[in-house]
Amino acid sequence: GIQVEQSPPDLILQEGANSTLRCNFSDSVNNLQWFHQNPWGQLINLFYIPSGTKQNGRLSATTVATERYSLLYISSSQTTDSGVYFCAVGPTASKLTFGTGTRLQVTL
Amino acid sequence: NAGVTQTPKFQVLKTGQSMTLQCAQDMNHNSMYWYRQDPGMGLRLIYYSASEGTTDKGEVPNGYNVSRLNKREFSLRLESAAPSQTSVYFCASRSGVLRAGVGYNEQFFGPGTRLTVL
Repeated sequence: GIQVEQSPPDLILQEGANSTLRCNFSDSVNNLQWFHQNPWGQLINLFYIPSGTKQNGRLSATTVATERYSLLYISSSQTTDSGVYFCAVGPTASKLTFGTGTRLQVTL
Repeated sequence: NAGVTQTPKFQVLKTGQSMTLQCAQDMNHNSMYWYRQDPGMGLRLIYYSASEGTTDKGEVPNGYNVSRLNKREFSLRLESAAPSQTSVYFCASRSGVLRAGVGYNEQFFGPGTRLTVL
C-alpha cells in the first residue's frame, strides 16, 4: 500500500516562531488532507489539498503532486497550535492512509 | 448541525465481552469510515462504507464487524474483545457528491471512543 512519511517527528517552538512540516508519499493520490489533533484527541480538519496551495489565516499548505510531497506552514505560532499534525493521503477518495504525525509543542 | 457523533466516549471491557460502537452523521454524507488509533501512531482504517448498503474491509478488519444501518448510521461491533483491541476508535464521513464550491472528498471525524480491554 501507499507509504506516508512525515518530518520532523517532534518539534519544539517558541511562541511567535514559524515552522514547516513535511509529508512525503509513495504513490499518486487523489485525496490529501492535513489534520491537527488537539490535546483532547479531537481531529480538526486543516486543509483538503491534493494539489496546489491554500491558506487559512496563519496556516498554509502546498502540495506538489508530481513530486509526491506536501508542506504545511505555520506562521507566528501560538501555544494553541500545540498537538499532533497528521497528513493523510489516498490513491482514491475512499481510503486514507495516515502518516505517524509531527508532534508540535509551542512554548511561551 | 452536530457533524459526526460517536457513543460511548469511553468504555472498559473484559476480554471476551462484546460491544457495539455507534456513529451517526447529520451531513447527508454517502460514505462512512471506522479507524483505530494506537499510541504514537496515525489512524488505520478498519472498515468503510462507500454508500448505504455497502461495506468493505480496510487495513485492519480482523476481529471487527460493521453495519451500515441507514445513510446516517454506521456501527462497529467487537464480538469477542481482546486486549490488542485497546485503542481509540474514530468514525468519519465523506460527502462523495460533487457540488460546486464544496469539498466532496474531504473526510470529517467524530470525537472518538476510548476503549480499554482488560
